[in-house]
Parts: sequence; structure tokens; C-alpha cells
Amino acid sequence: ETGVTQSPTHLIKTRGQQVTLRCSSQSGHNTVSWYQQALGQGPQFIFQYYREEENGRGNFPPRFSGLQFPNYSSELNVNALELDDSALYLCASSPTGPSNEKLFFGSGTQLSVL
Amino acid sequence: AQRVTQPEKLLSVFKGAPVELKCNYSYSGSPELFWYVQYSRQRLQLLLRHISRESIKGFTADLNKGETSFHLKKPFAQEEDSAMYYCALTFNTGKLIFGQGTTLQVKP
Repeated sequence: ETGVTQSPTHLIKTRGQQVTLRCSSQSGHNTVSWYQQALGQGPQFIFQYYREEENGRGNFPPRFSGLQFPNYSSELNVNALELDDSALYLCASSPTGPSNEKLFFGSGTQLSVL
Repeated sequence: AQRVTQPEKLLSVFKGAPVELKCNYSYSGSPELFWYVQYSRQRLQLLLRHISRESIKGFTADLNKGETSFHLKKPFAQEEDSAMYYCALTFNTGKLIFGQGTTLQVKP
């Protein structure tokens, strides 16, 4: 059984650019959540997708958007990058639906915005 | 607003000493509480859930609704317990709210 995989592991962008981060959920997991983790902080909920529909969103502006595909892989898109978007982005999948009974995290994508 | 507070950024104890990692939350309803752990060079993983009332790796946590706390305890710390610990809550909306984390350092 493979775990949650994220790509790329590291990314450097400049302010104003757009970025797409990818996540491959663990086999059989139909729910994926994305979190932003700034340095020295706990992960902050961005949004969750369940069966390809957005199922909850945190306090992030619309320039943060996502997709979940039929094979349950997922993308996080961020437009008009700002310096404060520099953070570790974590993807987490769950086999138990949106109830968050147990999340399986990826290793994250470290995004640096210059 | 719902919030999880972990008052200690760093907790340093000697091997064999008792450990208590503090977690307080603010939420008026009945949340579900979790402890997640991240060992060095590993990914974040679930340690335990309050609803399952189980002990994992010798750790236990009791939900105190009166004090709105969910402290993580272990009677005798081991060096392999050194890690970053996050307390988190959810209220079944798909959103997990994390605290800022506490680094536990167990010295030999």
C-alpha cells in the first residue's frame, strides 16, 4: 500500500506567478484535505474535497483553489502568489470520508515565493 | 472562534521522567480531539484520538470538558518520544484545527 505522495518537494516562484501542487492520495481514500504550514506554526486548513466536490474551506482567499480527480488525486492551485504564501503545503487523505477520523499526511511541498 | 492552544513551544525532560504536553481548546460544542506527532524526518501522523480512549506508545490523553483541555501524558519518557506534537480538534465539518505544536526533547 503506497502512502500519500506530493510533488514537487520544493518549488521557488516569484510574486505574482501561479503555482500548481499535486497530491496522490493513498489507495482507497476518497477524501483529501490541504493544509498550509508556515514556519513555526501548526498546519492551517485550506480546504477539503470529498468525491470530487469541495467540502469545507478555511480562511483562504479565492486565489487558492483545488481539484479532486476521479482517481482521488488532487491539485492545489494558487494564483497571484504573494510573499506570505511561502510555506509548507501538506496534503492529507482519509479512507473514512470527511469526518477526519484519521488523516494520512504527505511529506509536503515547500513553496518559496521571492 | 475555535482555537487550539499549546502553551509550551518546547518541553525538555530526562529519560524516565513523566511527561505532560498541554492542550487547551476553545469551542462551545462537542469537538473531537486528536494528538498528531511528527518524528524527525518523518511525516505527520496520528498518535491518538480521544474518542477511542486508547493508549498508544504509552501515551494517554483525557478530555476534560470543564477545563476544555486535552493534555497528553506519559508516565516515563523514552528518548524515541522526542518529536513535535500537535493537538488538533474537529467538529465534523471537514476542518481540523491544529495548535502551534510543542517540541518534546527527551534527554538521556
